[in-house]
Amino acid sequence: DSGVTQTPKHLITATGQRVTLRCSPRSGDLSVYWYQQSLDQGLQFLIQYYNGEERAKGNILERFSAQQFPDLHSELNLSSLELGDSALYFCASSVADRTGNSPLHFGNGTRLTVT
Amino acid sequence: DAKTTQPTSMDCAEGRAANLPCNHSTISGNEYVYWYRQIHSQGPQYIIHGLKNNETNEMASLIITEDRKSSTLILPHATLRDTAVYYCIVRGYNYGQNFVFGPGTRLSVLP
Repeated sequence: DSGVTQTPKHLITATGQRVTLRCSPRSGDLSVYWYQQSLDQGLQFLIQYYNGEERAKGNILERFSAQQFPDLHSELNLSSLELGDSALYFCASSVADRTGNSPLHFGNGTRLTVT
Repeated sequence: DAKTTQPTSMDCAEGRAANLPCNHSTISGNEYVYWYRQIHSQGPQYIIHGLKNNETNEMASLIITEDRKSSTLILPHATLRDTAVYYCIVRGYNYGQNFVFGPGTRLSVLP
């Protein structure tokens, strides 16, 4: 158990809809990262937050947004969903703002299916 | 872009040591070598990381060559539950977008 909690585990929704994925980081971790893993692609970095502030952006679509709240949990919002958004979405957390000597610890993901 | 090169797949007999190589010839002096694994569709699991010295924990050992251009992850007594995709990542003091996962090595532990 990594200590990172993601909810829900599974989500099935229709095209055009909006969903919210939730992540609670490990106790004491201030950084939260979101990754997407599709069947035909590897783990793709989406976005990073540190203590409530956005730190880095990857290949995150404009239809997607995220935030980190004062209690350090984070939410990833996906809107106007398309079939191609079906994927596993992972959250990770770490102690530090920048990595280096600070491992990321991953949750077990939310499996999103868009029909 | 991933800065590491790993074999696509490897087999290992159950109970034997699994030695997973990784090349990172362009590694910088302040970059760490990290290893993760992903079992089926679970979240990537942190295994070990190091800078220049060899490291050991309860899961594995990490051997880094003196020139730091390659490393080997050693699972001393592989079990069927170690079947997974293993990722080698090099990482400096950067923000998250530089924590890049390549395709990894698919390790199959055979009975």
